[in-house]
Amino acid sequence: GNSVTQMEGPVTLSEEAFLTINCTYTATGYPSLFWYVQYPGEGLQLLLKATKADDKGSNKGFEATYRKETTSFHLEKGSVQVSDSAVYFCALSDPIRYGGSQGNLIFGKGTKLSVKP
Amino acid sequence: NAGVTQTPKFQVLKTGQSMTLQCAQDMNHEYMSWYRQDPGMGLRLIHYSVGAGITDQGEVPNGYNVSRSTTEDFPLRLLSAAPSQTSVYFCASSYSGLASTDTQYFGPGTRLTVL
Repeated sequence: GNSVTQMEGPVTLSEEAFLTINCTYTATGYPSLFWYVQYPGEGLQLLLKATKADDKGSNKGFEATYRKETTSFHLEKGSVQVSDSAVYFCALSDPIRYGGSQGNLIFGKGTKLSVKP
Repeated sequence: NAGVTQTPKFQVLKTGQSMTLQCAQDMNHEYMSWYRQDPGMGLRLIHYSVGAGITDQGEVPNGYNVSRSTTEDFPLRLLSAAPSQTSVYFCASSYSGLASTDTQYFGPGTRLTVL
């Protein structure tokens, strides 16, 4: 079945450090891939997405490239800030859904990032 | 434009009680869904709807009921609360749910504790 695997957290970095959060997936078709972010005490919000192979999603200095050959969608940022402290979720939606909606999301378990000044 | 709203923000129930979590959106989205978030589990889909009058089960539907009588509202009912339903519940919506590329918009969540 479809699934998303994220690196375990928590991840603690100093301000201005480089960030990578790994995400790999399994899916029946060619899924769309998403990164959602959850700031403390809030709901999830879309950070970036990519809808086909080799697409790069980017937003707020974060970026991720849809790699079909390695079934990966790793999140990167060159210089993190304290305000980036949050939980990051990788997710997919599969265009081939047997008995379900193509819009349904499958989430990874989340990676908590803490950035220290 | 309020987006996706959820009430209440917090709720404490006793085992066996019933209650309804409310969710509303003002974006005229056809697709709405409910997820629960548990530590170390990510988010799991409970129920979803692709339009008024249409609902279907997600990954973890047992113990929950939904209906969709209007485009705007998608309430989640707990029929007889159990401690295993202690969780944070998120409602989400998107334009159609018929395209895997749609962005979902999430509400702020309801934190439920069942004693």
